[in-house]
Amino acid sequence: QVQLQPWGAGLLKPSETLSLTCAVYGGSFSGYYWSWIRQPPGKGLEWIGEINHSGSTNSNPSLKSRVTILVDTSKNQFSLRLTSVTAADTAVYYCARRGYHYYYYYIDVWGKGTTVTVSS
Amino acid sequence: EIVLTQSPGTLSLSPGERATLSCRASQSVSGSYLGWYQQKPGQAPRLLIYGASSRATGIPDRFTGSGSGTDFTLTISRLEPEDFAVYYCQQYGSSPLITFGQGTRLEIK
Repeated sequence: QVQLQPWGAGLLKPSETLSLTCAVYGGSFSGYYWSWIRQPPGKGLEWIGEINHSGSTNSNPSLKSRVTILVDTSKNQFSLRLTSVTAADTAVYYCARRGYHYYYYYIDVWGKGTTVTVSS
Repeated sequence: EIVLTQSPGTLSLSPGERATLSCRASQSVSGSYLGWYQQKPGQAPRLLIYGASSRATGIPDRFTGSGSGTDFTLTISRLEPEDFAVYYCQQYGSSPLITFGQGTRLEIK
């Protein structure tokens, strides 16, 4: 049973850099894309981007200039950096897995969300 | 960018009733790339339907997905108390690679 555990700073000031890491436990790390998805309070889901074990990334053009996604295959971890945050970046951030085979185009495993608040 | 518009925004029904949720895309979406998720308060979403009409592992058969092109539907045949949640459709393939609809809240009447 794959489990994803995110962690990182939960309270940031405007203009700071958001940094989150997600550890993957209990399953294969290679062969999948690992995603970051966020959900502002009371709103819908926004896909931020993804990375695979080789370091190949895809990201949302709306955030691309501020987003860096990295992978550490030695630790089965991947991370998100989002620069120059504003209050609009306040959200629950999910790390997740894009699936394999039938689930290739979908998010089939989700971690617990971690809340990030941007406030001065 | 493909925009997914879900309707209605909120659906109020009673247990035992049938729910019909709509997801309309601004451009044609391959049926293979359309999915549905359920999200309960305080929880991460859960994949229900993939490929527009296939149920994910462990999903009860009261959940049915259908549609093609720009119009997709999620039907819950007989609502159980645990089905009241927010539902999102999702497409894959157009930039951005993954987009979600804004969600339909299914609430108890």
